[in-house]
Amino acid sequence: EPEVTQTPSHQVTQMGQEVILRCVPISNHLYFYWYRQILGQKVEFLVSFYNNEISEKSEIFDDQFSVERPDGSNFTLKIRSTKLEDSAMYFCASSRDLDYGYTFGSGTRLTVV
Amino acid sequence: GNSVTQMEGPVTLSEEAFLTINCTYTATGYPSLFWYVQYPGEGLQLLLKATKADDKGSNKGFEATYRKETTSFHLEKGSVQVSDSAVYFCALTGANSKLTFGKGITLSVRP
Repeated sequence: EPEVTQTPSHQVTQMGQEVILRCVPISNHLYFYWYRQILGQKVEFLVSFYNNEISEKSEIFDDQFSVERPDGSNFTLKIRSTKLEDSAMYFCASSRDLDYGYTFGSGTRLTVV
Repeated sequence: GNSVTQMEGPVTLSEEAFLTINCTYTATGYPSLFWYVQYPGEGLQLLLKATKADDKGSNKGFEATYRKETTSFHLEKGSVQVSDSAVYFCALTGANSKLTFGKGITLSVRP
């Protein structure tokens, strides 16, 4: 069964450093997403991406965050200057269409120290 | 805006017990409804879905029926197993494609 692949599975970074989280969505999917889950809390929407542009973003997704689909297969989330409160599990997801449901990756656990 | 409310947890059951996890929603228009499951140390997996009123989603012995009149999508299973221990999230998508999640509920099944 097709999978969404995320790398790395765990990243530790110092506060103020830039991090890039990588995702390879399912190849025939058109919609791409990033979500995050702070330990023990709700899964929160960050951003959706369609047709090579951001279609929606949440209040969390401020100027420190950016997304890119640099080569038609990878889908990256960059945090420019990490803060302690960015520590969370970050999930990438892709979807074929709006009613189909998402396929999530297994997540990247980001720890900011 | 859209929102999903799940019953408070955690839930602890004995093996072969009947499971109900309540979920209600608020949304404009006609949302699609989902249950996702997160096993320990893993990501989110789609468990089942329903895209219109009175649809029943089912998978792995779990079922949920889209009830527009009560804006509910309760998850049920007739006989739980230890391997069902996980966190369960109710979610919806509305007119846009954004998934809105409930808080999730932890299910622990004792042998």
